Amino acid sequence: GENVEQHPSTLSVQEGDSAVIKCTYSDSASNYFPWYKQELGKRPQLIIDIRSNVGEKKDQRIAVTLNKTAKHFSLHITETQPEDSAVYFCAAAGAGSYQLTFGKGTKLSVIP
Amino acid sequence: ETGVTQTPRHLVMGMTNKKSLKCEQHLGHNAMYWYKQSAKKPLELMFVYSLEERVENNSVPSRFSPECPNSSHLFLHLHTLQPEDSALYLCASSQDGRLAGGAGTGELFFGEGSRLTVL
Repeated sequence: GENVEQHPSTLSVQEGDSAVIKCTYSDSASNYFPWYKQELGKRPQLIIDIRSNVGEKKDQRIAVTLNKTAKHFSLHITETQPEDSAVYFCAAAGAGSYQLTFGKGTKLSVIP
Repeated sequence: ETGVTQTPRHLVMGMTNKKSLKCEQHLGHNAMYWYKQSAKKPLELMFVYSLEERVENNSVPSRFSPECPNSSHLFLHLHTLQPEDSALYLCASSQDGRLAGGAGTGELFFGEGSRLTVL
């Protein structure tokens, strides 16, 4: 089955700096890669996703890049703000799959 | 409010108890899920129901028994649990159970979770 590795497990950045979280996956058939944000005590929520027919997608301060050859994808947050502090999860799913395989999560702390 | 509600939010039970977790979605989605979230572990998929039919069962012990009476409701029946089953149990729904290539966007809408403690 699919295996998703996520790094780093914790990340601290100064407010205004950029943050990058990286994930690798094992199943070359995977073609859907979402990122979820979970604030302390809250539910996970989708923040951005990418499908294998594109290499990059942006939404304001958030961007995701995908390298299918290397089987890795990354989340980039620019101009970080304290409200970006949360745990971020990457995930992967294959075509027609009912299963989303998650990484272990990255706890991002943005220091004011 | 994402439209997915879970009850109870907190549950403490002994190993010999029988209890149930309930999930309800008001989004008109066709698929519902149970995930287990433990500290320092990835979110673990337990069960998937699509149009009230179970389509995934990830080798979950039989002490966890799901029930999906209709597309809006999902239950997780708990019986003779172990202390290592203590975790946050998250319910989720999606427009279509096929997350990549299905009719929906692939987005999972999670509930707030039920924090389970097994003594």
